[in-house]
Amino acid sequence: QVQLVQSGAEVKKPGASVKVSCKASGYTFTSYDINWVRQATGQGLEWMGWMNPNSGNTGYAQKFQGRVTMTRNTSISTAYMELSSLRSEDTAVYYCARTRRMRAVAGHSYYFDYWGQGTLVTVSS
Amino acid sequence: QSVLTQPPSVSAAPGQKVTISCSGSSSNIGNNYVSWYQQLPGTAPKLLIYDNNKRPSGIPDRFSGSKSGTSATLGITGLQTGDEADYYCGTWDSSLSAGGVFGGGTKLTVL
Repeated sequence: QVQLVQSGAEVKKPGASVKVSCKASGYTFTSYDINWVRQATGQGLEWMGWMNPNSGNTGYAQKFQGRVTMTRNTSISTAYMELSSLRSEDTAVYYCARTRRMRAVAGHSYYFDYWGQGTLVTVSS
Repeated sequence: QSVLTQPPSVSAAPGQKVTISCSGSSSNIGNNYVSWYQQLPGTAPKLLIYDNNKRPSGIPDRFSGSKSGTSATLGITGLQTGDEADYYCGTWDSSLSAGGVFGGGTKLTVL
């Protein structure tokens, strides 16, 4: 069965960086994009960006450009999301999600069929 | 402020039907497919509907989706107490700042 298992909770000081991992199993890791989505406490879902594990290509939300880096290690089927220059507003649960995407005549089909369990990142001095 | 607009909350009695709306624009819902996610308290989101109206394996047919123009709707019939959750719509936005977008979420209360 498809599983995405994320690394454990982190506590960081403002200005530091955090790197969250997402280990995939149950499918061919390089066949599906991985997206990252975060959720502050009591708030909605916020899309951060995508990574193609096969090519390593990435695309980031404008809000995170320059601060986020998404990478992968295909030998261990693991994706990573690193966020730098952390501030208190970055305190949130970070999710990785396997992504199904296709461009059809009627538009983009883009959805997340499996999610990791989430990683709480707390930014506090 | 979310790109897609959902009502903050809806409620209905067990056994009843409820609908949740999701409003967007031509750069997102109007020209792309919509998905819906259920998030039970303290858990990760779960895919309910994809490509506007398709259900993944294991999702009961009590859940349905539709799209018209720049709006989409999630319908839930035969409400159960276990359906109490937050529901999010999502899609791709094809504007200059292309990327995934979500609604702000709707809290469903089963009275």
